Amino acid sequence: GAVVSQHPSRVICKSGTSVKIECRSLDFQATTMFWYRQFPKQSLMLMATSNEGSKATYEQGVEKDKFLINHASLTLSTLTVTSAHPEDSSFYICSAREARGGGVIPDTQYFGPGTRLTVL
Amino acid sequence: AQKVTQAQTEISVVEKEDVTLDCVYETRDTTYYLFWYKQPPSGELVFLIRRNSFDEQNEISGRYSWNFQKSTSSFNFTITASQVVDSAVYFCALSDSQTGANNLFFGTGTRLTVIP
Repeated sequence: GAVVSQHPSRVICKSGTSVKIECRSLDFQATTMFWYRQFPKQSLMLMATSNEGSKATYEQGVEKDKFLINHASLTLSTLTVTSAHPEDSSFYICSAREARGGGVIPDTQYFGPGTRLTVL
Repeated sequence: AQKVTQAQTEISVVEKEDVTLDCVYETRDTTYYLFWYKQPPSGELVFLIRRNSFDEQNEISGRYSWNFQKSTSSFNFTITASQVVDSAVYFCALSDSQTGANNLFFGTGTRLTVIP
């Protein structure tokens, strides 16, 4: 149990285009999903937290108009990087948390495999 | 403010050696959770353990063991008889009321290299 998938695993795009990353909890319902960014050899930086059916809460310094997050269902959240630029190149990781048990350890974040974004 | 310190940036051991990864945390809360995650070269973070602040029992899972000491605010992780597959970056993390909604505050990670 507690499997989280991300798609795509790797994406290369031109500057100015938008990129959508999907995060799915495969065998549990995620009441909350988190999006992180990780630079090489660094720790994870939380970008935003989203609860199903409500607007995401962004961390200080994260542009909500640039990083659009949608959490439309209990198993799917999407992150769209709009008008991507080379400085947006990074490793993006999502995680999902189920607060009510149901086969996974509650209040524990389970992470997806990550998406490596390269903006040319 | 909450803080997680992993003082060991990189560790190298020879296969079959035991290795301990240190984690020291700071929080003002009496209720909090501590976690360890493994990040192999593939990038995915693998959940290893969650410990709540009221449970100081040490835990063993196969070759892995964890030593939780509230008196020293430490939550150290030991791998016994290390294997090459243990090579990864290991993150210690804290969740308390200050992080909000059980968000995680990560340490900077310890890169473990197991040499065959």
